[in-house]
Amino acid sequence: NAGVMQNPRHLVRRRGQEARLRCSPMKGHSHVYWYRQLPEEGLKFMVYLQKENIIDESGMPKERFSAEFPKEGPSILRIQQVVRGDSAAYFCASSQGMSNQPQHFGDGTRLSIL
Amino acid sequence: DQQVKQNSPSLSVQEGRISILNCDYTNSMFDYFLWYKKYPAEGPTFLISISSIKDKNEDGRFTVFLNKSAKHLSLHIVPSQPGDSAVYFCAASEYDRGSTLGRLYFGRGTQLTVWP
Repeated sequence: NAGVMQNPRHLVRRRGQEARLRCSPMKGHSHVYWYRQLPEEGLKFMVYLQKENIIDESGMPKERFSAEFPKEGPSILRIQQVVRGDSAAYFCASSQGMSNQPQHFGDGTRLSIL
Repeated sequence: DQQVKQNSPSLSVQEGRISILNCDYTNSMFDYFLWYKKYPAEGPTFLISISSIKDKNEDGRFTVFLNKSAKHLSLHIVPSQPGDSAVYFCAASEYDRGSTLGRLYFGRGTQLTVWP
């Protein structure tokens, strides 16, 4: 995926630490989506953002999780006080936000909690 | 809560034959449907999509069929090739505020294996 860039690709944290996942959308895309995939499951929506705005955060856990997409720089998904259950692959997608335009995904960040 | 279902976790097909992957959905408000292919340790790659106003969309070896009355769609791959071996995800969405594609609802995926 030359388009959506996620880093880091792998992140290891101990319980109680903070995890920060970054996503740079494809050039020309102003809409960013975050998804989480647990083992043997499909991707589950977390949050949808445009520049400086959260459009839909209905899939985001109410506590410890936050997301932003500032005017300058990448989108950030932040998980505070991580627990073992946060271990998953986190995928970011971006789109132009126009009708019939699909979301394009990055290669994800694999988060492991020790 | 699973609004998009892929009931076959795996499918095995011989090279050159047709692969048919199935997907069912429960939400009649879905406007747009997509198929993604995913290799291990990579992100999903967009394959093909279809709007609810159509019943068929074709792109090379890939064809998606939509049956709105049955709330069912399928992906046909003809001819299948070993490089098609991957997990295939079906996804669906509603348009947000009439124009922007909103969140995607994913099925659990079907592992396709194409053998020589």
